Parts: sequence; structure tokens; C-alpha cells
Amino acid sequence: DAKTTQPNSMESNEEEPVHLPCNHSTISGTDYIHWYRQLPSQGPEYVIHGLTSNVNNRMASLAIAEDRKSSTLILHRATLRDAAVYYCIRTKGGTSYGKLTFGQGTILTVHP
Amino acid sequence: SAVISQKPSRDICQRGTSLTIQCQVDSQVTMMFWYRQQPGQSLTLIATANQGSEATYESGFVIDKFPISRPNLTFSTLTVSNMSPEDSSIYLCSVPGQGKGGYTFGSGTRLTVV
Repeated sequence: DAKTTQPNSMESNEEEPVHLPCNHSTISGTDYIHWYRQLPSQGPEYVIHGLTSNVNNRMASLAIAEDRKSSTLILHRATLRDAAVYYCIRTKGGTSYGKLTFGQGTILTVHP
Repeated sequence: SAVISQKPSRDICQRGTSLTIQCQVDSQVTMMFWYRQQPGQSLTLIATANQGSEATYESGFVIDKFPISRPNLTFSTLTVSNMSPEDSSIYLCSVPGQGKGGYTFGSGTRLTVV
């Protein structure tokens, strides 16, 4: 079971940091953690992924708990364009290109 | 990363007919994936299309309903056959993102069956 648990929705103000949590308590040692987001009327967009260490890219940071049972996607300064559904996905099989199983995700609302 | 062109972007179809959706990628990819997103729902993987072999379907999806072609490494089609209103969804294709570890998605085909 590649299930993850996320809050249904979160709100933020523009230019403030956003921390989106994800629980994956049954994760195994070779499972990757991926984050995608889907803006209105668009296909999902890759945000970031990681295995054990924290990861940073131009879009966001991914903080992975030491026991790997949870992770947090960090948007350092939210903009109105960051309003989207954010999906935390666990992929199995020891590869970062494992099959994606989408849950319901977190709807992020950003207030001006 | 790869750029995907998906056609048509939207269509309204009569029940009982079929629609073929095209997915064109600007680079060669081994795997292509087809997803369905029902209204207000998340994405569900329909099948994985590999060039030169039969597509692999996920539980709940069958080839007779969703035949897939993969004639080369840059192109695939998904047909939604004998459509009913329950098939009204957004259909998306996806390919590996070539080195960055993620997947690239097309913008989707919004299908309405009346």
C-alpha cells in the first residue's frame, strides 16, 4: 500500500512561507517521496522528490523526517501562482521513476 | 524536460461513439502513461504504454474499452470506446522527465459525453 496522508486544505498569505505536511508512516527503505502540484485547468507539474536527505530546488524544499515516516514540502515565499492542489506521492521499487499513485492532495489557497 | 502536445484539448461526444486522443512528445521516451481524472477527483493511472509491446492496464481498466497504440518512441494514442456519460473526464498522458526524476504531464483532454 503506497498510501500517504495529507490535510485536505491549507491557507497561506502571499510572500509568507508555506509548510505542506505529508504522512507516509508505512514507507519502506527504497520508496521515494515525490511532490507534484496541479494548477487549475492544467496537468500535474513535478515539484521535487527525495529519498532520505533534504532536497532543494528552484521551486521548493523537501524536508524528510529522520525516520522517513513524514515529510514537509516548503514553499519559501508563497505567491498567488502557487495556489494549486499539492500531491505527496510515495513510489515503490527503488527508483525515482516508480509508478505514481495520486491521492486527494492538499488544496493550497494563497491570499493576497 | 520533455514537451508534450496532447490533442484534442477538449471534445463533446455522443454516447456510443469513440474518441481517439493523441499524445506527441518532442523526444524519444521508453514509457508513456495514460491517466484519467474524473470531475473533482484525483488522477488514476489507466495504463502504461511501451513501444513494441502491449500496453499494461491497471485494475479496473480493460483494453476493449481503452485501446492504446504506441507506434514509435514519440507518439501514443488512447481511444475511449463506446462512450457513456460516465466516461466524461480529463484524460492525460505523461512521460518520464528525462533526468530530473519526475514526470512531465500533458495539458489533458477534457471529454464530455452527452
